Amino acid sequence: QVQLVESGGGVVQPGGSLTLSCAASGFTFSTYAMHWVRQAPGKGLEWVAFIRPDGGNKFYADSVKGRFIISRDNTQNILYLQMNRLRGDDTAVYYCAKHNFAIDSWGQGTLVPVSS
Amino acid sequence: VLTQSPGTLSLSPGERATLFCRASQRVTGNYLAWYQQIPGQAPRVLIYGASGRAAGVPDRFSGSGSGTDFTLTISRLEPEDFAMYYCQQYGDSPFAFGGGTKVEIK
Repeated sequence: QVQLVESGGGVVQPGGSLTLSCAASGFTFSTYAMHWVRQAPGKGLEWVAFIRPDGGNKFYADSVKGRFIISRDNTQNILYLQMNRLRGDDTAVYYCAKHNFAIDSWGQGTLVPVSS
Repeated sequence: VLTQSPGTLSLSPGERATLFCRASQRVTGNYLAWYQQIPGQAPRVLIYGASGRAAGVPDRFSGSGSGTDFTLTISRLEPEDFAMYYCQQYGDSPFAFGGGTKVEIK
């Protein structure tokens, strides 16, 4: 079955950087577009970034554009989110998600608290 | 921008729930999805393409609408249906979510 396992979360200081990873299994990773979605504590879902199967097209929410970079390694079946210049309002659980007629699979999420 | 209403819906088990999602611009291809999220869990997809029911979703869940106005209907609420519900458009970037509707037990 589809498995998406995020890692790399943890406390980071404002202005710092962090890279999240998502290990995918149970499906042909290279043929599916992928998303990152986040959820601040007690808040709603916020779409963050999207990447097409071949990595050729990437889209970002305005709130992260210019600071975050989504990428993927189709040989290792891993999705990445490089986060730079982190701010307090980036504090959230970050979910890796698979796109197939909308988002049909989600990881368990990894928490990124941005705090000094 | 997607606006969901109402913010909170207070109903009893067995009642019908109607949730709304309005887009500020026409949703390309009616690529509108609905998700359910239970506290402490990741979301799960219920509806895609405005009206397509995802695999394993009970038929008491149905989606309708087109253009800018969409509806999720739960015909008869079961205890496990009390949760948060979000809509998302995935026709054009940004693939934004609505603010959510909480369905709570009255």
